[in-house]
Amino acid sequence: DTEVTQTPKHLVMGMTNKKSLKCEQHMGHRAMYWYKQKAKKPPELMFVYSYEKLSINESVPSRFSPECPNSSLLNLHLHALQPEDSALYLCASSQRDRGLGGHEKLFFGSGTQLSVL
Amino acid sequence: AQKITQTQPGMFVQEKEAVTLDCTYDTSDPSYGLFWYKQPSSGEMIFLIYQGSYDQQNATEGRYSLNFQKARKSANLVISASQLGDSAMYFCAMRLTGGGNKLTFGTGTQLKVEL
Repeated sequence: DTEVTQTPKHLVMGMTNKKSLKCEQHMGHRAMYWYKQKAKKPPELMFVYSYEKLSINESVPSRFSPECPNSSLLNLHLHALQPEDSALYLCASSQRDRGLGGHEKLFFGSGTQLSVL
Repeated sequence: AQKITQTQPGMFVQEKEAVTLDCTYDTSDPSYGLFWYKQPSSGEMIFLIYQGSYDQQNATEGRYSLNFQKARKSANLVISASQLGDSAMYFCAMRLTGGGNKLTFGTGTQLKVEL
């Protein structure tokens, strides 16, 4: 079982709705990520939080709003989405690993499959 | 900017056989890490194996090994003794040392293991 928990697993929303995706990890990792993945495509980085501060924003439209209330939680607030935003949204967390040359191993959740109607 | 290329959109392998998934990369940075992730139909990305650019030996993790050829900029994943549960999407990825927390993924290879 993944140690990164995402809820909900599936979400259907209209273009006028406001919804939130939630992600939680209790591994003590200080970096957390949001990725967007279209079917049969690689994940695309959206946001990175490091020590609860937004460190990377990959020019994501403002209808996606990330929030990191504490070191264990990461939210993604959704508002006025478009049908092309339908995708699998993956959350991940990481920490430096000496066995990986100081690189960070990402632990991913199972994702939220989002459909925008 | 770094780039990862996986030229095999789909691969088939017989159960118990070995299979090689190709990955080439392009970067001018001398220090980087290479990763392979597995994504089954459940959606979760599972870390498989890591190779550092300065590592002298090829990485191995159980049935997974990485054929690292630095001069050719290739980092192929070898899965030995394939099992039905190995059927999944496989992504090669790279991170530059000092490149922040940014992992760049290849386009992936869909592997199907047959009886």
